[in-house]
Amino acid sequence: AQSVAQPEDQVNVAEGNPLTVKCTYSVSGNPYLFWYVQYPNRGLQFLLKYITGDNLVKGSYGFEAEFNKSQTSFHLKKPSALVSDSALYFCAVRDGGYSTLTFGKGTMLLVSP
Amino acid sequence: NAGVTQTPKFQVLKTGQSMTLQCAQDMNHNSMYWYRQDPGMGLRLIYYSASEGTTDKGEVPNGYNVSRLNKREFSLRLESAAPSQTSVYFCASSGTDLPGNTIYFGEGSWLTVV
Repeated sequence: AQSVAQPEDQVNVAEGNPLTVKCTYSVSGNPYLFWYVQYPNRGLQFLLKYITGDNLVKGSYGFEAEFNKSQTSFHLKKPSALVSDSALYFCAVRDGGYSTLTFGKGTMLLVSP
Repeated sequence: NAGVTQTPKFQVLKTGQSMTLQCAQDMNHNSMYWYRQDPGMGLRLIYYSASEGTTDKGEVPNGYNVSRLNKREFSLRLESAAPSQTSVYFCASSGTDLPGNTIYFGEGSWLTVV
C-alpha cells in the first residue's frame, strides 16, 4: 500500500524567510509525487509534480520541491515566503501500478508579516 | 475555461434524505474522481471512473453511489444521508488515469447532514 506523511500540522515562517514543508512517502514501485495548495473555502490547486528526471522540480508561484529517493522525501520549498502563501498544503503520491492518488493530511503554512 | 464545475456549493440535509452532487468537466478528460475532505484526514477517494463506462470503488465508498453519465459528467449520490457524511466533497478529473497525469479539482461542495 502507498502512503504519505506530512509530519507537521503547521509551519510558521516570517515573510521574506525561506520556507520548507516536509513530505515523506512510501510506495512499492517508482513514485509519482505531487504538491497541491488549498486556500480557504477553495478547491485544491496543482503546484508541481515529480515524475522522473531532475530531482529538483520547479512549479507555480515560485515553489520548488526536491525529490530524495534515499530518504523517500519530497519537501516543498520557497526561497522567500509571502503572506499570500498562507494556505493548506497537501503532498500526494501514486506508484506506477496504482490507479489513484493518496494524499497526506495536509500542513497549514502561516506566513507572518 | 471553467475546468471542473460542481453543484451545489452548499447543502444541508436531514438524516435519511437523499441527494446527488453533480460534476462536469470541460477539459475533455477521460478520468474523473470524487474525494471527501475531513479535518485532519486529508482527502480520501470515494469513487473514481478511469474512463467513460467504468467506475471503481476508492478508499471510502460505503454509503455512496456514482454514475458516469457521459465523458463530461460524473455524479455522486447519497441514498440515505448520515451525519458521518458531513464533509466537503471534491470532484476532480485527469486526462487519463496514468500515474503521471495531473488531477484537477473543482471548488468543492460543503455538505452538512443534521
